[in-house]
Amino acid sequence: EIVLTQSPGTLSLSPGERATLSCRASQNVSGSYLAWYQQKPGQAPRLLIYGASSRATGIPDRFSGSESGTDFTLTISRLEPEDFAVYYCQQYDSSPPVWSFGPGTKVDIK
Amino acid sequence: QVQLVQSGAEVRKPGASVKVSCKASGYTFPSYYIHWVRQAPGQGLEWMGRVNPSGGSTSYAQKFQGRVTMTRDTSTNTVYMELSSLRSEDTAVYYCARVNRPYSYGYGYWGQGTLVIVSS
Repeated sequence: EIVLTQSPGTLSLSPGERATLSCRASQNVSGSYLAWYQQKPGQAPRLLIYGASSRATGIPDRFSGSESGTDFTLTISRLEPEDFAVYYCQQYDSSPPVWSFGPGTKVDIK
Repeated sequence: QVQLVQSGAEVRKPGASVKVSCKASGYTFPSYYIHWVRQAPGQGLEWMGRVNPSGGSTSYAQKFQGRVTMTRDTSTNTVYMELSSLRSEDTAVYYCARVNRPYSYGYGYWGQGTLVIVSS
């Protein structure tokens, strides 16, 4: 079973700053199977990145994803007020077919 | 446009069952699996399983094996998730979701969520 670990648990930043969120997999994960979500209170999650680095439709280009081995990174180049939220990574394991989420990183206003 | 519309909030007693529906529209229903994800209050996201609307085959997370049943009705483009032997820890918002495009593994479409409260 692949386990995703996200760090930090909370990231306190100011608008305009750069945010770097980490997601580490316990085993090799194909980048094709890695996604990132943003969730605000009372709302369903919103897909930001799929395939580790492809932005979903309508997602601003200040959001970017990258991978290096079992480490995946979500970067928000310049935080806007609406970006303060919880972010989850998610992976798919094909054998057997199982999806799982990381525990989340909360980005809050410093 | 793609829409997933879920049934309303439910309150159940421990030991009971709950059945949540998810009606899909705006796309060819058999073409995409529907997944179920839940979120307990103040907690993270948890994948429960998926159903293939085309043939009805299912895959469940090990944690829910034996307690969850996912079905579909192709005549109404609706998917159902039934969870039995409810306990207080099953209190959560339950979401249905679909990937954003073929060969993607990211859920680009979500239902609005259904709150299930388990309480005596």
